[in-house]
Amino acid sequence: DQQVKQNSPSLSVQEGRISILNCDYTNSMFDYFLWYKKYPAEGPTFLISISSIKDKNEDGRFTVFLNKSAKHLSLHIVPSQPGDSAVYFCAASEQGAQKLVFGQGTRLTINP
Amino acid sequence: DVKVTQSSRYLVKRTGEKVFLECVQDMDHENMFWYRQDPGLGLRLIYFSYDVKMKEKGDIPEGYSVSREKKERFSLILESASTNQTSMYLCASSLDLGGGRRTDTQYFGPGTRLTVL
Repeated sequence: DQQVKQNSPSLSVQEGRISILNCDYTNSMFDYFLWYKKYPAEGPTFLISISSIKDKNEDGRFTVFLNKSAKHLSLHIVPSQPGDSAVYFCAASEQGAQKLVFGQGTRLTINP
Repeated sequence: DVKVTQSSRYLVKRTGEKVFLECVQDMDHENMFWYRQDPGLGLRLIYFSYDVKMKEKGDIPEGYSVSREKKERFSLILESASTNQTSMYLCASSLDLGGGRRTDTQYFGPGTRLTVL
């Protein structure tokens, strides 16, 4: 049972435009959400997170939006750059838990 | 900078062999994790450890065991490797802030691509 779902396996965006990656979750006990980025032959690296008490968190070109009622979050990258081409994983955790539950990942390709 | 290292980048083993995957972190983190990454399935947690000699099952522990004898080292063991354990294995560590507080940043190693023939 996939508690965190990324329904788009891949996304292609033109350089300079906005990239929007989506993530849905089913477990209402999740209260913290994260995005990780993974390049080939490397481990995932933390990108940005958001607590369930917020609906938006911004860090430079990256913004995460959380819609608790819809159990949906999204990552916006503006403007998209070629170096953003990677696989992006959405992850979630429950209060007090040390472990994360990851989605399937979305491969983002930024075209020049 | 946190560094998480894994003993091998690529490993080829035969069915039935016992396989050891080693992970070492250098930041005195309490928590360590083993995941496998498969296409279309994302990262799935196999086991994690929140202290020396402590371990908890993740979502897919069957066919695996772990060992944490020292704080910096977390080993994943495949007692009898099978072809369906061919995968990318990722180790991660994180700091425990204590008092029920959570640290979300898990630092990952580069991964070990294991092929079981």
